[in-house]
Amino acid sequence: GAVVSQHPSRVICKSGTSVKIECRSLDFQATTMFWYRQFPKKSLMLMATSNEGSKATYEQGVEKDKFLINHASLTLSTLTVTSAHPEDSSFYICSGTPGLTDTQYFGPGTRLTVL
Amino acid sequence: RKEVEQDPGPFNVPEGATVAFNCTYSNSASQSFFWYRQDCRKEPKLLMSVYSSGNEDGRFTAQLNRASQYISLLIRDSKLSDSATYLCVVTRTGAGSYQLTFGKGTKLSVIP
Repeated sequence: GAVVSQHPSRVICKSGTSVKIECRSLDFQATTMFWYRQFPKKSLMLMATSNEGSKATYEQGVEKDKFLINHASLTLSTLTVTSAHPEDSSFYICSGTPGLTDTQYFGPGTRLTVL
Repeated sequence: RKEVEQDPGPFNVPEGATVAFNCTYSNSASQSFFWYRQDCRKEPKLLMSVYSSGNEDGRFTAQLNRASQYISLLIRDSKLSDSATYLCVVTRTGAGSYQLTFGKGTKLSVIP
């Protein structure tokens, strides 16, 4: 199947700093990428959908100024958590799909811990 | 009512047992259905798509009942390696958007 990578796999940062997470589709062009967040013992929750070259669409309750998403190319999307706080600590997972309704291929996730 | 609901679990079953998971969805406009498997602290991986005609992949059988808005997953001859959380996933498209909704998952532990 298609491969999606994420970097870093784990990050620990101080409160107030910004963290950038990269999501890359390695062997396909991801016209659409999705960003999810998963808190312990909870389901994945979609944060935003991004299409290459256009602004991301954020889900209700997700602050677009806090979670900056850039999908500048067909193989790379980035999520920047700005001014991170302890409540932002979570498992962030991206996925990519070649087309809007194709199967989503998930990255391995990034575990963020904000102290 | 939650958009996607699954059996609460956890399911603890002996090796070789048959186990069934159920999932219901609330939005009749939902279009595609999947089962994902998620190992502890890992990303979800697609297990299988679910079709109205039912589909089987080795020891795994998935069924969809659109009238009842119900999806099932049957695992036969459980292996220790089947231990994971199984996520029911429902998608729909509308107004140019695509939404993929995950259930909370059902944890399966296969015991030697």
